[in-house]
Amino acid sequence: GAGVSQSPSNKVTEKGKDVELRCDPISGHTALYWYRQSLGQGLEFLIYFQGNSAPDKSGLPSDRFSAERTGGSVSTLTIQRTQQEDSAVYLCASSLLQGAQEKLFFGSGTQLSVL
Amino acid sequence: AQSVTQLGSHVSVSEGALVLLRCNYSSSVPPYLFWYVQYPNQGLQLLLKYTSAATLVKGINGFEAEFKKSETSFHLTKPSAHMSDAAEYFCAVSKGGTASKLTFGTGTRLQVTL
Repeated sequence: GAGVSQSPSNKVTEKGKDVELRCDPISGHTALYWYRQSLGQGLEFLIYFQGNSAPDKSGLPSDRFSAERTGGSVSTLTIQRTQQEDSAVYLCASSLLQGAQEKLFFGSGTQLSVL
Repeated sequence: AQSVTQLGSHVSVSEGALVLLRCNYSSSVPPYLFWYVQYPNQGLQLLLKYTSAATLVKGINGFEAEFKKSETSFHLTKPSAHMSDAAEYFCAVSKGGTASKLTFGTGTRLQVTL
């Protein structure tokens, strides 16, 4: 497709279960971001991939969170042993260029609900 | 570290009235500043950005923002609100350059009434 695609759009899980969230960036975009959007918390940076460089994981809230990007394209965000406070919308964004030319294109997000 | 503060989580204006959404930033280096908009049931999209060129930046849909270093502000304005402007607006900051990440504010929900 032409835009950033995220799946699933909604995920309901039980506390303690693992979940995987998928992001298909725009073809050719070298940068990929994951953000978390919680009520009243704005957009919280989680992790950033740029080309073949080591990812910037500085925003991951705990070691239960991890992400990988295979082949420089699709990315998977994994949350292990989910907790209720993990409930949020998880947004993926991609971009082609950096700095002044950078423009992020966002997906519609995955709404995660942990019961 | 960079951060932004958006004053007012909800703003309501009448159709045709001035829109003013406030954003103040904190940055240890000259910042790049952005406004993103999220329409209902849609993903975020870039409205406009400041990258150290002109201090008055014009964006899509008639919006503009002015970078004021002395006030550390980057407020978003539109002279005349339209019903279709109802959305959530996010201010964001980065330090630019390579491998820079955007830090977003908490968002301001704009309501436009008849």
